[in-house]
Amino acid sequence: EVVLTQSPATLSLSPGERATLSCRASQSVSSSLAWYQQKPGQPPRLLIYDASKRATGIPARFSGSGSGTDSTLTISSLEPEDFAVYYCQQRTSWPPTFGGGTKVEIK
Amino acid sequence: QVHLEQSGAEVRKPGASVRVSCKASGYTFTTHGVSWVRQAPGQGPEWMGWINYFNGHTSYAQKFQGRVTMTKDSSTRTDYMELRSLTSDDTAVYYCALMTAVFLFDYWGQGTLVTVSS
Repeated sequence: EVVLTQSPATLSLSPGERATLSCRASQSVSSSLAWYQQKPGQPPRLLIYDASKRATGIPARFSGSGSGTDSTLTISSLEPEDFAVYYCQQRTSWPPTFGGGTKVEIK
Repeated sequence: QVHLEQSGAEVRKPGASVRVSCKASGYTFTTHGVSWVRQAPGQGPEWMGWINYFNGHTSYAQKFQGRVTMTKDSSTRTDYMELRSLTSDDTAVYYCALMTAVFLFDYWGQGTLVTVSS
């Protein structure tokens, strides 16, 4: 199965700063990569799909890029509600797999 | 709006079984099916399997083969996931997720905590 490695494990930033999260796949996932945000006690929430398409209702400060084995989620200017854990997920190969997550915390 | 309502928390002893339900409402679009995803404490999500709404077929992750059964009651728009031979490693929050495309988890239930303890 495809292993997704996310880095860094933790990102300590202040509101208004730019966040750059990385997801590396053990083999090519083409552009079939999604990003989810999860807050404590809540289910994951779809942010980005097919590497760069924002899901319904997702603010423009969230953007995704990349293809093949390397993908990036960028939050252009952190809002207080953006501090959470972010997961990448691939759906190119069976079974679908998730990364281990990046926690974006307040510095 | 789309809403997935899951059944409440469960506590089971090792060796027992558990069944979690997921009732969908508020959507009229065509959906590809429902997946079940679990998340152990402090861990990332783990996909367990899914039901294809187009043909009713199920597909399970190898790790759960022979131990999980996913079913659907179309008349009530309710999906079920049964996991058998529970161990403490099965302690997790179990989610159902509605998919508008293959393995794209657009909408999630609120989660059901299953605790396995003697």
